[in-house]
Amino acid sequence: GQQLNQSPQSMFIQEGEDVSMNCTSSSIFNTWLWYKQDPGEGPVLLIALYKAGELTSNGRLTAQFGITRKDSFLNISASIPSDVGIYFCAAYDKIIFGKGTRLHILP
Amino acid sequence: SAVISQKPSRDICQRGTSLTIQCQVDSQVTMMFWYRQQPGQSLTLIATANQGSEATYESGFVIDKFPISRPNLTFSTLTVSNLSPEDSSIYLCSVDSGGETQYFGPGTRLLVL
Repeated sequence: GQQLNQSPQSMFIQEGEDVSMNCTSSSIFNTWLWYKQDPGEGPVLLIALYKAGELTSNGRLTAQFGITRKDSFLNISASIPSDVGIYFCAAYDKIIFGKGTRLHILP
Repeated sequence: SAVISQKPSRDICQRGTSLTIQCQVDSQVTMMFWYRQQPGQSLTLIATANQGSEATYESGFVIDKFPISRPNLTFSTLTVSNLSPEDSSIYLCSVDSGGETQYFGPGTRLLVL
């Protein structure tokens, strides 16, 4: 069946560094979504991508919908402590989720 | 985006009992979904809650174990029946108002002893 391969599984970075994570699949999707989940909370939508090649920013976050429609990446610039959490990619047509990237920030 | 609330936010239950989780949305939505997130894992879709008809269950999930109600366009319940420790998870509802984008509630944390 369809699945999303999200990498890296976890990251340990210094505050102020840039972060990059991606999601790939062997299947084609119409929509890519990126969520962040804080401990004890539900996932919060960060960015939604609806068109192949689309590059969208939300503050320090930038995400792109791959031109092949089989992948997407999320970048976070100048990381801060509140960026800590789990980031999930998700893709439609019938929504599926990646396994998540756990972001840890070292002081 | 829709504002979604869930009750209870957490519960501890004895095995063999049932827990009913409520999901309330602040606006009418077409699609409501129920997910399970086991500890340290990603989200797994349990079922789509259909207004006025039976829920549509994903492979591996059955109505007897996870009965769902959707009496109107702003409310749904998920019951987890005959609880066992393996049912200890976070249960999340989400909504899609028609734009291929889902918004999630805060989740219900269930611990089964």
